[in-house]
Amino acid sequence: LAKTTQPISMDSYEGQEVNITCSHNNIATNDYITWYQQFPSQGPRFIIQGYKTKVTNEVASLFIPADRKSSTLSLPRVSLSDTAVYYCLVGEMNSGYSTLTFGKGTMLLVSP
Amino acid sequence: DAGITQSPRHKVTETGTPVTLRCHQTENHRYMYWYRQDPGHGLRLIHYSYGVKDTDKGEVSDGYSVSRSKTEDFLLTLESATSSQTSVYFCAIRKDVEDGYEQYFGPGTRLTVT
Repeated sequence: LAKTTQPISMDSYEGQEVNITCSHNNIATNDYITWYQQFPSQGPRFIIQGYKTKVTNEVASLFIPADRKSSTLSLPRVSLSDTAVYYCLVGEMNSGYSTLTFGKGTMLLVSP
Repeated sequence: DAGITQSPRHKVTETGTPVTLRCHQTENHRYMYWYRQDPGHGLRLIHYSYGVKDTDKGEVSDGYSVSRSKTEDFLLTLESATSSQTSVYFCAIRKDVEDGYEQYFGPGTRLTVT
């Protein structure tokens, strides 16, 4: 399983764009990149998933360069409610036995 | 929301006693997972299941067993609870989507072993 590295914490202010970068140097050909969000006392919540280039949904954008050795989660105009831990995961999507490994995540603190 | 419930939501038990946690889903997804979450460790996979009676170990399986006799239920058992198993336990299911899959998590069970 590909190992991921992401910052332990980040600070931002309301209304700013936040970019969280994840490094995954040994990503395999069949691996997808997935981001989750977790609030205190809750289970993680799926945010976005991608394989290459750019993916955008109503919550975030995911940028993946051509070499796929890193990825960046972009949260536009964050609010206080975006304060959470964000996890970057890399894992194979095609195997019936595939699992995802959660690292320690990035604690994002959004201030007024 | 993938219709995942966990029971109990909170439990306090004594060292050496057996404990069973239940995960129930309403959508008949094939894959189910048990994780534990501890401060400083993120989420760690304990066991997972890829069908009825089909299970496999995760990275922290020692001291835990699982069973899946029905698609909708995935049970996690601590045969003899230890204080190191004090943790928050999350169950998850996998939904296959067009370009990959997504995991949906239950609300968690907070277990304290005294």
